[in-house]
Amino acid sequence: GAVVSQHPSWVICKSGTSVKIECRSLDFQATTMFWYRQFPKQSLMLMATSNEGSKATYEQGVEKDKFLINHASLTLSTLTVTSAHPEDSSFYICSARDGREVSYEQYFGPGTRLTVT
Amino acid sequence: SQQGEEDPQALSIQEGENATMNCSYKTSINNLQWYRQNSGRGLVHLILIRSNEREKHSGRLRVTLDTSKKSSSLLITASRAADTASYFCATVQGGKLIFGQGTELSVKP
Repeated sequence: GAVVSQHPSWVICKSGTSVKIECRSLDFQATTMFWYRQFPKQSLMLMATSNEGSKATYEQGVEKDKFLINHASLTLSTLTVTSAHPEDSSFYICSARDGREVSYEQYFGPGTRLTVT
Repeated sequence: SQQGEEDPQALSIQEGENATMNCSYKTSINNLQWYRQNSGRGLVHLILIRSNEREKHSGRLRVTLDTSKKSSSLLITASRAADTASYFCATVQGGKLIFGQGTELSVKP
């Protein structure tokens, strides 16, 4: 089956610094990737949708200047949390859609736990 | 925005019992999906049911869909301690997968 990886699996950073999270599709070309955020005991909230080679589309209430998304290739999307604050501490999950598939099936990465101190 | 509302929010049962989780959604759908998430982990896709299907089985899982009521249910039969996890329904809206609030299932051995 299709595999999506994320790196790092967890990261601790100081307040005010920036953190980059990578999402890779390992065995398929992901024309579209999605970034979700999940706070403890809550559901996944979609942050943004990124299509390869174009700007990401952000959900309402998500600051595009704070959460920079780059989808420069068909197998890699990155999320950079800029000037991180403790309230950005969360579980970030990416997913990817195989451009060859007609269905809307998405393949999820294992998530990245971000802790901002 | 969240598409699905799920109930119960939390469910605690004994091993061997059945667990039923419900999901309601607001708009028309082509399909509805159920996912499992173990604590602190990524999502595992369990089952997809299309809008023209009423029931679908996969192992110990049984999913029903009632499009007239805009609701779905997930039944896990003969539950095991390893089924302890959060379960989410999800629907596609505008090409985006939107998740319900989730049900936290605890299966006690």
